Amino acid sequence: DTAVSQTPKYLVTQMGNDKSIKCEQNLGHDTMYWYKQDSKKFLKIMFSYNNKELIINETVPNRFSPKSPDKAHLNLHINSLELGDSAVYFCASSLVGGELFFGEGSRLTVL
Amino acid sequence: DAKTTQPPSMDCAEGRAANLPCNHSTISGNEYVYWYRQIHSQGPQHIIHGLKNNETNEMASLIITEDRKSSTLILPHATLRDTAVYYCIVRVNSGGSNYKLTFGKGTLLTVNP
Repeated sequence: DTAVSQTPKYLVTQMGNDKSIKCEQNLGHDTMYWYKQDSKKFLKIMFSYNNKELIINETVPNRFSPKSPDKAHLNLHINSLELGDSAVYFCASSLVGGELFFGEGSRLTVL
Repeated sequence: DAKTTQPPSMDCAEGRAANLPCNHSTISGNEYVYWYRQIHSQGPQHIIHGLKNNETNEMASLIITEDRKSSTLILPHATLRDTAVYYCIVRVNSGGSNYKLTFGKGTLLTVNP
């Protein structure tokens, strides 16, 4: 069973569209994260949720809105997609203060 | 804003030990050193972490200097599958019991046959 699973794995869309990436973890963790890895391979944290509460919100455009319906899920919704949003988005989870377990990533391509 | 410095790349012969250095001269007394690796196109994977003492697990050993300003990750018998980008990270408290891992550029380790 995959511990942290993301869907879709690949997403190709046009500029201006709205899209969502879903993340689920079955590890019983209470903290979840979204990271973005751009074309230069830098991994940057975007958001972190603990028990459905937002605890880290880096300088991310308002077009990005995370939603956590329960502590096992953290979805990422992106409005009005731009070319610069093309990247690989990684979801991760952890116990509070524990090591992160990452998903396999969702590669978003904006045309 | 990573608090660590690593060489951009290293090579290692298969079967030999790979020693990956990391400088973290501004580390605070209660900040842990974490090591992750990312094999091409996969999600990062936790390897090991430590505070002061040297640590060893089934994957690697972590040697932290006494002044805690640098550390070395040791893969005792590198295999071709260990080819990856290795990230040394200082875990920073982001408020309460919450922490943030800021990834730097890492070291691309290439294990050669």
